[in-house]
Amino acid sequence: EAGVVQSPRYKIIEKKQPVAFWCNPISGHNTLYWYLQNLGQGPELLIRYENEEAVDDSQLPKDRFSAERLKGVDSTLKIQPAELGDSAVYLCASSQGRGGDEQFFGPGTRLTVL
Amino acid sequence: RKEVEQDPGPFNVPEGATVAFNCTYSNSASQSFFWYRQDCRKEPKLLMSVYSSGNEDGRFTAQLNRASQYISLLIRDSKLSDSATYLCVVRTSGTYKYIFGTGTRLKVLA
Repeated sequence: EAGVVQSPRYKIIEKKQPVAFWCNPISGHNTLYWYLQNLGQGPELLIRYENEEAVDDSQLPKDRFSAERLKGVDSTLKIQPAELGDSAVYLCASSQGRGGDEQFFGPGTRLTVL
Repeated sequence: RKEVEQDPGPFNVPEGATVAFNCTYSNSASQSFFWYRQDCRKEPKLLMSVYSSGNEDGRFTAQLNRASQYISLLIRDSKLSDSATYLCVVRTSGTYKYIFGTGTRLKVLA
């Protein structure tokens, strides 16, 4: 069974440029998470979807970040414009149920903003 | 104060040693508890869930102390391949938000 797929794996951009990350969760997983992980820190939730509905986006900096999960399957996370402090690893995870279930993580997108 | 706190380490231990990590959480309504393992430059993967009565999986033992609001992970007979960062994860009752600790780095030395 294929795991969570993310692309690109690496992205280097200059500040003020836009960037987008894509995630395809495990088939049948209704819940999708986007996390941000800084070096030496644990993942921090940005947004959580249940099917196509964003049910928790309280940690998403909405002035520059946006996300969508059309049709409740794959998802895109966008930053526009990117800032130096956005350099981090962006992880996508999915789970079959709403809670207490194992989260399966993708390999992440490592973003460097110059 | 962070919701989930861990000693970042690193814990440097010789092969064969027993090592234990603790993790404290601040929200008494926390309901579900997990340990995830993250290798360098890789994604986190579930190591084990933590149950109220404590649970064991081979060389790994997890325990929960609700009164003191901490969970622990014990690794016996450490292997070189156990070298990784161990993330404590907590979910609060009534939400489906998982809070991750900063992780504890373990280095098992030959």
